[in-house]
Formats: sequence, structure tokens, C-alpha cells
Amino acid sequence: AQSVTQLGSHVSVSEGALVLLRCNYSSSVPPYLFWYVQYPNQGLQLLLKYTTGATLVKGINGFEAEFKKSETSFHLTKPSAHMSDAAEYFCAVSDRVTPLVFGKGTRLSVIA
Amino acid sequence: GAVVSQHPSRVICKSGTSVKIECRSLDFQATTMFWYRQFPKKSLMLMATSNEGSKATYEQGVEKDKFLINHASLTLSTLTVTSAHPEDSSFYICSARDSDRGLGNTIYFGEGSWLTVV
Repeated sequence: AQSVTQLGSHVSVSEGALVLLRCNYSSSVPPYLFWYVQYPNQGLQLLLKYTTGATLVKGINGFEAEFKKSETSFHLTKPSAHMSDAAEYFCAVSDRVTPLVFGKGTRLSVIA
Repeated sequence: GAVVSQHPSRVICKSGTSVKIECRSLDFQATTMFWYRQFPKKSLMLMATSNEGSKATYEQGVEKDKFLINHASLTLSTLTVTSAHPEDSSFYICSARDSDRGLGNTIYFGEGSWLTVV
């Protein structure tokens, strides 16, 4: 069975600082990995995904994530945080067949 | 990009009544759709997998007679909460797998529906 662990339910960074949201996964087959963002009172929006190929994946809003098989990780980063990045971020894992399995989410706060 | 539309975005209903939530894939065909429920300050919990033309597959602990799912076409799945109670109040989100686009199998989400049962 697949699972996702997001370390840190709440991360707080200063505006302009590096954003690092951690995600580790467990999967018995090569995984598909996703990061979604949820703004207050809204649904989920796909930030980026990894399926195959290049392990460094670039997404929207300046975010990127790197798939590290040896570490079973898919951490999300952004070089410089913006106030508008404050939201809930969910890491998810899947394969071709099963639905997404989500982590518990990490709430990102950006301090001016 | 692909869009999944969910309607209504917010609904308030009286206890004991039923409410239907629609999930539509607007620019792709979705043979499989998923329904999730999100409790306050918690992650998404998969309720059921909806397959076009067949019965939905429910996760353990989800009452199939209470949460009726119909996937009558390749672009529409509906979730009906029957005999709603206040504890059913939650944020319900649907998603659709874009199987048309081959590798990647991306899953797109609707904007969610806030259900409040009073």
C-alpha cells in the first residue's frame, strides 16, 4: 500500500525566504508524485507532478520539487516566499491505477 | 488546461433532506472519478471511486446507501448525500482522472462543495 508523510503540519517562513516543504512516500511500484495547493475556502490546484524522466520538476508559481528515489522523498521548494504563497500544501502519491493517497498537509504561513 | 467543475460550491440543507453534488470534466473524458471528503484541519479522505457505467467502489467505513454515487456519463459523476445530518457537514471534493492524455494520468480536482446541514 502506498502512503505519504509530510513532515511538519505548519511551516512559517519570512517573505523572501526559502520555502521547503517535506514529503516522503512509500510505494511498492514506481510512484507518480504530486503536490497540490489549497487556498482558504477553495479546492485543490495542481502545483506540479512527477511521473517519469527528469527528477527535478518545475511547477507553477515558481515552485519545484525533486524526486529522490534513494530517499523516497519529493520535497517542494521555492527560492523566495511570497505572501500569496500562504496556503495548505498536500503531497500525494499514486500509480496508474489507484487513486491518490494524500499526506496530511502542511500549512504554510508567510510573515511580512 | 483540464478543468473539473463542481456544483454547487456551497449548499445549506435541512437535516433529513438529500443534496446532490455534481462533478463534471469539461474538456476531457473521465472514465474514473473520485470523491473525497475533507474534515476541518485534516487531509482529504477518499470516499469512493466512481467508474462510468458501473457501480462505485466505496472505501471502508463509507456508507454506500447514504452517499449515493452515479457516474452516468464520461463527463459527469454525482454524489447524493441522503437523509443528511449535521455530522455530514463537510467539504466534499471530486476529482477526475484524465486518461486521454496518456502517460502522467493526471488527476484534476473540482473546486469543492461546502455542505452545511442545519
